[in-house]
Order: sequence, then structure tokens, then C-alpha cells
Amino acid sequence: DIQMTQSPSSLSASVGDRVTITCRASQSISNFLNWYQHKVGEAPRLLIYAASRLQSGVPSRFSGSGSGTDFSLTISSLQPEDVATYYCQQSYSHLMYTFGQGTKLEIK
Amino acid sequence: EVQLVESGGGLVKPGGSLRLSCAASGFTFSSYAMHWVRQAPGKGLEWVSSISSTSDYIFYADSVKGRFTISRDNAKNSVYLQMHSLRAEDTALYYCVRDVAAAVLWGQGTLVTVSP
Repeated sequence: DIQMTQSPSSLSASVGDRVTITCRASQSISNFLNWYQHKVGEAPRLLIYAASRLQSGVPSRFSGSGSGTDFSLTISSLQPEDVATYYCQQSYSHLMYTFGQGTKLEIK
Repeated sequence: EVQLVESGGGLVKPGGSLRLSCAASGFTFSSYAMHWVRQAPGKGLEWVSSISSTSDYIFYADSVKGRFTISRDNAKNSVYLQMHSLRAEDTALYYCVRDVAAAVLWGQGTLVTVSP
């Protein structure tokens, strides 16, 4: 099974900061990597799919990069509404779409 | 409206059974693989099980293999999760999810609590 490891597990940053979250796969997954934002009481929201493609309706301050085993999600200018937990998910392994353990993002 | 609505959650004793349902509407259900994902209290998202559009391919997380069964009825636009031998660690909000990547759609979840 493909394991996904995110870092850091939690992060505190100031409004306007550039924030980066990383995700590493236990084997190459090409670009089959998705990023989700999950706020308390809501369903998870897809931000990025295929490693770098911005989902419709997602603000352009969110971006993704990487391929193979190493990926990152960047928020170019942190906003108060970005407080959430962020998850990476691999969709390389057919119908066995494992998640990273999550990164909790807070405002300093 | 394009949506997924889960039902069937509730309180069950350890060792008990429960069947979750997910009703889809507003899209061609039979064209999509479907998944169940859960989130235990204070924990992250955990992929539980997936079923292909025609039920040809079915997969389970190791944590539920042998206890949970996923199925679907394309005529009823529904996917199910039959859960047996429930444990305290199965306590979670269970989400029904359509496909993946750009076509993904999540329901709001149904809460399963396993407790004496």
C-alpha cells in the first residue's frame, strides 16, 4: 500500500505569510496527488488535483507542485479563512486512495 | 441538485452491525466509482472502501477488511456500507464520496458511534 506522509503536522503563521505544506509518497505516484482543505463541521473541499491543477472556484493564492514522490501545497498570502486542516491524497493506486495524516493550519 | 446524502448512522454496541446508505442525485451515478471515507474524533481522514462504477472492483482498508462490505445499486442511485463486528475505533463520521480529483463530490457525512 502507498503511504503518504505530510509535514509539518501543525503550523502557525501570520496573515499575509507564505505557507508551504509538504507531502511525500512511499513510492512514485507520478502526478496523482490531490490536496484538500477541511474545516470543522464541513465536508472536505478539493483545492488541487493532479498535483498542480487548481480546482474551479479555488482562490489563486493556492498552488501545488511536485511529481514522483515529493509534493507541496503553497498558500501565497495566508488569509484568516484559510484556517483548516489540509490533507494530501494519492489517487495513483486504483481505487485505494490513501490520505496523508493532515496538517493543521492556524493563524498566529 | 448534484448531491450525496448519507444515512444509517447511529449508536451501536461493540460487536454490532450497521448499514450505511448514500443516495446520489443530480448526476449519472452509474458512471462513477464511489468511496467511503471516515474521520474519527480528533483524527484525520481515512479512506475506508471503494467500488468501481460496475462493481467489478472493490477495495478495503486493512482496518476494515473482513468486517465491512461495500455495494451499490445503480438502479437506485445508491451505495452502501455494511459494517459488522463494530469496534470502538470505528466510531467516526462516515462520508460518501464520488470519484476523485476534479470530479470529486462529498456528502455531509453520517455519524457512527460504537459504545457500550
